[in-house]
Amino acid sequence: GAVVSQHPSWVICKSGTSVKIECRSLDFQATTMFWYRQFPKQSLMLMATSNEGSKATYEQGVEKDKFLINHASLTLSTLTVTSAHPEDSSFYICSANPGLSSSYNEQFFGPGTRLTVL
Amino acid sequence: AQKVTQAQTEISVVEKEDVTLDCVYETRDTTYYLFWYKQPPSGELVFLIRRNSFDEQNEISGRYSWNFQKSTSSFNFTITASQVVDSAVYFCALSEYETGANNLFFGTGTRLTVIP
Repeated sequence: GAVVSQHPSWVICKSGTSVKIECRSLDFQATTMFWYRQFPKQSLMLMATSNEGSKATYEQGVEKDKFLINHASLTLSTLTVTSAHPEDSSFYICSANPGLSSSYNEQFFGPGTRLTVL
Repeated sequence: AQKVTQAQTEISVVEKEDVTLDCVYETRDTTYYLFWYKQPPSGELVFLIRRNSFDEQNEISGRYSWNFQKSTSSFNFTITASQVVDSAVYFCALSEYETGANNLFFGTGTRLTVIP
């Protein structure tokens, strides 16, 4: 159980285009999902926390208008990188929190999406 | 302030050697959780262990063992008889009870290379 998927697993796009990444919890409902960003040889940095049905909470320094997060259902959150630029190239990882059903709210991670902006 | 410190950036060992990955954490909470994750070249994070702050018992799982010492705020990870498949980046992480799982602080990771 507790499987999280991401789609696509990798994407290459031209500078200026927008890219949407999906994060799905496959066998549980996730009241909260998280989006992380990982540059090569660096650690995971939390970008934002999304709660189903409400606006995402962004970490300091993360541009809300550039990284649009939508958590429209209990099993799906999307991250849209708008007007992508080469500096947005990174590994994006989502995680999902089962919420109240767990005795401890831990995060289950997706496999990640590698974004390359040309 | 950095909450999780993994001082070892890269470690190389020869196959079958034992290796210990260090993790030092910082928190004001009395209730917290510590994690270790493995990230192989594929990129997917693999959960290894979760330990809460009230359980200082060391844990062993096959070739893996963890040494939790609250007195030194450390949660070290030892791989016994290392294998090539253990080559990966290992992250230690901390979650504080007050913020629940909403804040998972990752260390900078230790890249382990096991040489055949």
